[in-house]
Amino acid sequence: LAKTTQPISMDSYEGQEVNITCSHNNIATNDYITWYQQFPSQGPRFIIQGYKTKVTNEVASLFIPADRKSSTLSLPRVSLSDTAVYYCLVGAYGGATNKLIFGTGTLLAVQP
Amino acid sequence: ETGVTQTPRHLVMGMTNKKSLKCEQHLGHNAMYWYKQSAKKPLELMFVYSLEERVENNSVPSRFSPECPNSSHLFLHLHTLQPEDSALYLCASSQGSGMVETQYFGPGTRLLVL
Repeated sequence: LAKTTQPISMDSYEGQEVNITCSHNNIATNDYITWYQQFPSQGPRFIIQGYKTKVTNEVASLFIPADRKSSTLSLPRVSLSDTAVYYCLVGAYGGATNKLIFGTGTLLAVQP
Repeated sequence: ETGVTQTPRHLVMGMTNKKSLKCEQHLGHNAMYWYKQSAKKPLELMFVYSLEERVENNSVPSRFSPECPNSSHLFLHLHTLQPEDSALYLCASSQGSGMVETQYFGPGTRLLVL
């Protein structure tokens, strides 16, 4: 399983765009990149998933360069309610088990 | 509301007690999971069930005993726990057990062992 590295914390202000970068140097050919969000005392929630280039949904965008050794989660115009821990995970389809390996994540603190 | 419910939401137990955590998913999924999240530590995968069969046990102490009677229900039976077992216990489910299946998490059970 590919190991991921993210900043421990980030600060932002309401209305700003926030970009959180994740490094995954040993990503495998079949691996996908997935981001989850977790609020205090709640379970993580799926945000977005991608394989290469750019993926966008109603919540965020995910940018993946050609070498796929990193990825950037982009949150447009954050609000106070976006304060949470954001996890980057890398893994592939197939196999008998689903082993989501959560790292320490990035604590995003949005201030007014 | 993710479609995954957990009860109780909070639990305080002594080291000699026996208790059970319950998880129920209303999503028609085939795989269910137990995770442990201790303070300031990453989530740790404990158990994975696919079609009611345990497919993963991440070296979890025997004082934690999972049970999956059907694809909608998952239990975690607790006995003779230690104070270091105090944590948030999260249940999740997914359509299948493939690596990139989106997992839907419940709200968790906050456990305190005295």
